[in-house]
Amino acid sequence: NAGVTQTPKFQVLKTGQSMTLQCAQDMNHEYMSWYRQDPGMGLRLIHYSVGAGITDQGEVPNGYNVSRSTTEDFPLRLLSAAPSQTSVYFCASSRGTGHYGYTFGSGTRLTVV
Amino acid sequence: AQKITQTQPGMFVQEKEAVTLDCTYDTSDPSYGLFWYKQPSSGEMIFLIYQGSYDQQNATEGRYSLNFQKARKSANLVISASQLGDSAMYFCAMREGRGTSYDKVIFGPGTSLSVIP
Repeated sequence: NAGVTQTPKFQVLKTGQSMTLQCAQDMNHEYMSWYRQDPGMGLRLIHYSVGAGITDQGEVPNGYNVSRSTTEDFPLRLLSAAPSQTSVYFCASSRGTGHYGYTFGSGTRLTVV
Repeated sequence: AQKITQTQPGMFVQEKEAVTLDCTYDTSDPSYGLFWYKQPSSGEMIFLIYQGSYDQQNATEGRYSLNFQKARKSANLVISASQLGDSAMYFCAMREGRGTSYDKVIFGPGTSLSVIP
């Protein structure tokens, strides 16, 4: 199994550009989430999904959109990149509720100039 | 309001000693779960241990144990016999809304642990 695959690993954007961070998992996990990690702030939840067709906002959703048309894929869209969105982005998935920890992707390091 | 608090930005421990990393949380949900994750300098996130809010006993996984004090809303991670490879960031996390459409996991700011030879 590949686990949780994030692409790209690195990206540089210009202010105002849009892009999509890809996340795919092959474990048939229902739950998927996007986090951003900034120094001193831990991981902050951007958007999450409890199943295909269901998404909700997390702690810092502004400037980001998501959709979940399939169980496997959970792309994160930056609508108009800003320097404040420079961060490391993690996608994570979980089999279900209870004691199942999240499996994380390897992260995408995004720089907005 | 901060839901997960980790008051120790940085900690040092001597190799082979035990260390406790603090975590307090805030929720009104009667059913929740608490996790600890390790992030070494390579950047990967590694799941360490889980404690459910209804679990009667404290969770243990090898050298890791979770000191769960429900009334105080605290879930401290204890690492016994520290090793050099334990040097990393450690994150406390909480799962709320289990089984509902708002089932989500949020993280604390983390504690940086350095193990000294």
